[in-house]
Amino acid sequence: GEDVEQSLFLSVREGDSSVINCTYTDSSSTYLYWYKQEPGAGLQLLTYIFSNMDMKQDQRLTVLLNKKDKHLSLRIADTQTGDSAIYFCAEGGIDNQGGKLIFGQGTELSVKP
Amino acid sequence: NAGVTQTPKFRILKIGQSMTLQCTQDMNHNYMYWYRQDPGMGLKLIYYSVGAGITDKGEVPNGYNVSRSTTEDFPLRLELAAPSQTSVYFCASSEGLAGVNEQFFGPGTRLTVL
Repeated sequence: GEDVEQSLFLSVREGDSSVINCTYTDSSSTYLYWYKQEPGAGLQLLTYIFSNMDMKQDQRLTVLLNKKDKHLSLRIADTQTGDSAIYFCAEGGIDNQGGKLIFGQGTELSVKP
Repeated sequence: NAGVTQTPKFRILKIGQSMTLQCTQDMNHNYMYWYRQDPGMGLKLIYYSVGAGITDKGEVPNGYNVSRSTTEDFPLRLELAAPSQTSVYFCASSEGLAGVNEQFFGPGTRLTVL
């Protein structure tokens, strides 16, 4: 079945770049998403990429998509302590029945001063 | 707009008790979802609904029931609580239109079954 895999933890120093990686199995996904979960809160959409793109940049965020390898990454430039959170990769799109998303396990990003 | 609201925030249940987790959205979204989040496991879809009167099972529906009598409300029912249902439960909604399916999440309900 469909699956999304992420590593569980990443620790970086403030000011460094963070790269969070994700692999997925469903090549028919129209969109791929990155959601952010701050402590004690629900998830919020951070950014997304359309499946026919290979890169999307949004201020400090860069999303790279390698469709051949089914690999998605999120780069956060100049990482700040406020970026500490859990980041979820998700695949899916409105073409999927019910608009369902398949989430990865989440990567907990810890930013040290 | 309040967005997606969930009640209660926390609850402790004894094995075999039942309860309903409430979820309401004020964005007039067609689609609504219930997830559970367990540490290191990500979010698993329990049930979802594409409109009032229509519900369908997700990946982990056993032990739960839902109903959708209005666009705004999507309650989740646990009939016979078991320790395996200890989790954080999130409700979400989305417009359900073609294109980017941004899901908006509630703040969650932390449930412990003892």
